This record gives sequence, C-alpha cells and structure tokens, in this order.
Amino acid sequence: GAGVSQSPSNKVTEKGKDVELRCDPISGHTALYWYRQSLGQGLEFLIYFQGNSAPDKSGLPSDRFSAERTGGSVSTLTIQRTQQEDSAVYLCASSPIGLAGGRAGELFFGEGSRLTVL
Amino acid sequence: SQQGEEDPQALSIQEGENATMNCSYKTSINNLQWYRQNSGRGLVHLILIRSNEREKHSGRLRVTLDTSKKSSSLLITASRAADTASYFCATGGSEKLVFGKGTKLTVNP
Repeated sequence: GAGVSQSPSNKVTEKGKDVELRCDPISGHTALYWYRQSLGQGLEFLIYFQGNSAPDKSGLPSDRFSAERTGGSVSTLTIQRTQQEDSAVYLCASSPIGLAGGRAGELFFGEGSRLTVL
Repeated sequence: SQQGEEDPQALSIQEGENATMNCSYKTSINNLQWYRQNSGRGLVHLILIRSNEREKHSGRLRVTLDTSKKSSSLLITASRAADTASYFCATGGSEKLVFGKGTKLTVNP
C-alpha cells in the first residue's frame, strides 16, 4: 500500500503475556518512529530508527519494551510481560528525511495499534 | 526537553469562526510542525515552518513562529465542522521529533 501499515489494529491481551506490534513503513522511507498515546493524551516518543544507524531507544519506558527494524523496512515493537499501564495506542510513523544534520522531516503515520491489557 | 505545549487544551467554536491554537517550547529548534488527528485515527501532517521563517500559509491555515518567545500559533480561518479534531505541534532539532499534548478543537455546525 501507499501508506504506513500497522497490525494488529486492535489487540486485547492478559496481563503478563507478550505482544508484538508490526509496522510496515512507506517504501523508501529511511526514518521510522514508534510513539505511544494514552487515552486523550499526547504522543510519547518510544524509539527512532534512521537507516543503518544505532536506534535512539531513549523513550522506551522499561526493559520490557524492545523494537527492531529488519532490512531497513519493517519494524516490530515487542512488549514482554505486559502490564495494565501498557494499555494505549501505539503509533508508527515513517519519514523520508532523518534527523541527520538536524533536519526533522514530515512524518507519515499509520492508524495505530490499540493495545488493551486486562 | 524540547516538548511543545499547546494551549488551550480544548476549544469550542461555531462554524465560520476562526480558531487559534498556540504552542510553546523550551529549547532551540530547527523547525516546528503542526499535525491533526481525527478521533481514533493516526496523525496527519499539516504544515512545517522552519526556524528562519516567521509565517507560513496553506489554504485556510496560517502558522506563525516567534523563536524569541519560543512560541508558534496555528490559525484556522472560516472553520468547518470537518475541522473538528485534535491539533498537535511537534518540535524538531537535532534530536527526535517531540509532540505536545494537543488542543482538542470542536467546530459546532
């Protein structure tokens, strides 16, 4: 497709289970971001990938959260031993321009994955 | 933190009126962006203004940037019911793009 694709769109899980959220960015976009949005709140930065550089993981809230980006394209966000406070919408965005040289470009967002931890 | 903070948190106006939302940030930036989010959807980019620009227009949108005050405003003229959404500013420097908490705009028909 032409846009950023995220799956699943909705995920309900039990506390303590692991979940994987997937993001397919727009083809050719070198930068990929994960954000978390709690109900009625702003976006909380989680992690940023840019090309082959080491990812910026400074926003990951705990070591239960991890993410990888394979082949510079698809990314997977994994949350281990989920907790109720992990319930949120997880948004992925990609951009054709990375932050190298201080140029933050326009982000293209997916529709998000809504995670509910019971 | 470079986090932008929008105000007001919520704004309710009548169709046809103008809507103004403000964003303040804390550190120097290379650019500032405004995004829109319809309920339950992803964010859509509206406009980007660079640190050396003071004003930018796009259709019914007008964005201003005052780097001395570290603030920006988004003006939507002749609002429509379809403009009902949350609006976020995002600041980018040499680090990650950081979003504020947004202004929830309701345009009543």
